[in-house]
Amino acid sequence: GAGVSQSPSNKVTEKGKDVELRCDPISGHTALYWYRQRLGQGLEFLIYFQGNSAPDKSGLPSDRFSAERTGESVSTLTIQRTQQEDSAVYLCASSSNRNQPQHFGDGTRLSIL
Amino acid sequence: AQSVTQLGSHVSVSEGALVLLRCNYSSSVPPYLFWYVQYPNQGLQLLLKYTSAATLVKGINGFEAEFKKSETSFHLTKPSAHMSDAAEYFCAVSADTGNQFYFGTGTSLTVIP
Repeated sequence: GAGVSQSPSNKVTEKGKDVELRCDPISGHTALYWYRQRLGQGLEFLIYFQGNSAPDKSGLPSDRFSAERTGESVSTLTIQRTQQEDSAVYLCASSSNRNQPQHFGDGTRLSIL
Repeated sequence: AQSVTQLGSHVSVSEGALVLLRCNYSSSVPPYLFWYVQYPNQGLQLLLKYTSAATLVKGINGFEAEFKKSETSFHLTKPSAHMSDAAEYFCAVSADTGNQFYFGTGTSLTVIP
């Protein structure tokens, strides 16, 4: 499809395991964002990619969180040694440039047992 | 720095009544302002955006918002609520400088038949 695609849609894992979340942005969108949304709360910025520039990692909550993006395509968000507090919906968004409207995927619902 | 405050985490209106969702922002530079809607188990969809053109912005589904610089507000309105408007609404601000979008904590709209 033409929208932002995220996989998996749901992930259940045990505390201490590593997880990898994937985001396929809209083709041609140079900007890509990752957010975390805890139950009943707003969006928490995690990381921003813009083209080939160094990413803005200022929102990553700890060194267990990392993200990569290859050029202007797929991005993966990795959480190492997951904790129960990591349980949330992780949303990815892309836009044609910063300050342009973001197009969101449906998110990955992560549950840590 | 930019930030967004949404007054009222929960708003209930009767079907056919006026919808008013409040958003106040702070920004040291002229802002870009957005309203997004989130339906259950989905990502966010753009309702409308303000980018320094007309102060009254019309969006999808009959929603509109007015940028009032003197009040630093960007409230979302709809003349007549429909059952399908029940969702979570987020206000967001960004600036020409910096990479981040700042989202409010959201307002959950309930429409009473």
